[in-house]
Amino acid sequence: AQKITQTQPGMFVQEKEAVTLDCTYDTSDQSYGLFWYKQPSSGEMIFLIYQGSYDEQNATEGRYSLNFQKARKSANLVISASQLGDSAMYFCASGEFRGRDDKIIFGKGTRLHILP
Amino acid sequence: NAGVTQTPKFRVLKTGQSMTLLCAQDMNHEYMYWYRQDPGMGLRLIHYSVGEGTTAKGEVPDGYNVSRLKKQNFLLGLESAAPSQTSVYFCASTPQGGLGYEQYFGPGTRLTVT
Repeated sequence: AQKITQTQPGMFVQEKEAVTLDCTYDTSDQSYGLFWYKQPSSGEMIFLIYQGSYDEQNATEGRYSLNFQKARKSANLVISASQLGDSAMYFCASGEFRGRDDKIIFGKGTRLHILP
Repeated sequence: NAGVTQTPKFRVLKTGQSMTLLCAQDMNHEYMYWYRQDPGMGLRLIHYSVGEGTTAKGEVPDGYNVSRLKKQNFLLGLESAAPSQTSVYFCASTPQGGLGYEQYFGPGTRLTVT
């Protein structure tokens, strides 16, 4: 069964430093995708980045990059040059894609605090 | 283009009461999902739908029912609410299954069961 593990309940990071948020996943499928979402204190869910299991290169979106290590089943989010506005809850999610029964499940999240 | 909307935004129920949460999307998405978010538990999938007229159970389906009679709407029902169902409920949709499709989320419904 699909499972997402985020081992860091909370993190404190100094502004302008790089941040790595850990995510490991468990899936038996060969075809899957990995997502990261941000949830600020206002509550909305904001999509950040996606990595497909067949993508050979790590995904990048602006200051966000996904460190994908397939053999380790690891999909860590890296935020470069952190900003105060990055303070939020971050969720890793995975989707197994079988064509007609595709569901996406989430980890428990990591609360990131950026310190000025 | 409103995206994904949820009705109501807030609700307080007494134990044993019933209610229906409505999720609507105007993007012609095939897939729709209901999640609940509890402190320390992340988002847990309740039910989902891969197309009009279809539904499937997620991780925590007990105590909930769903229906997808129209492609744009996904209803979540609580037949007999319990305090354990106090949570924030999120609806999401994706264009279809397959790789690469981000989920579009609604703003959430905060439900309190007393």
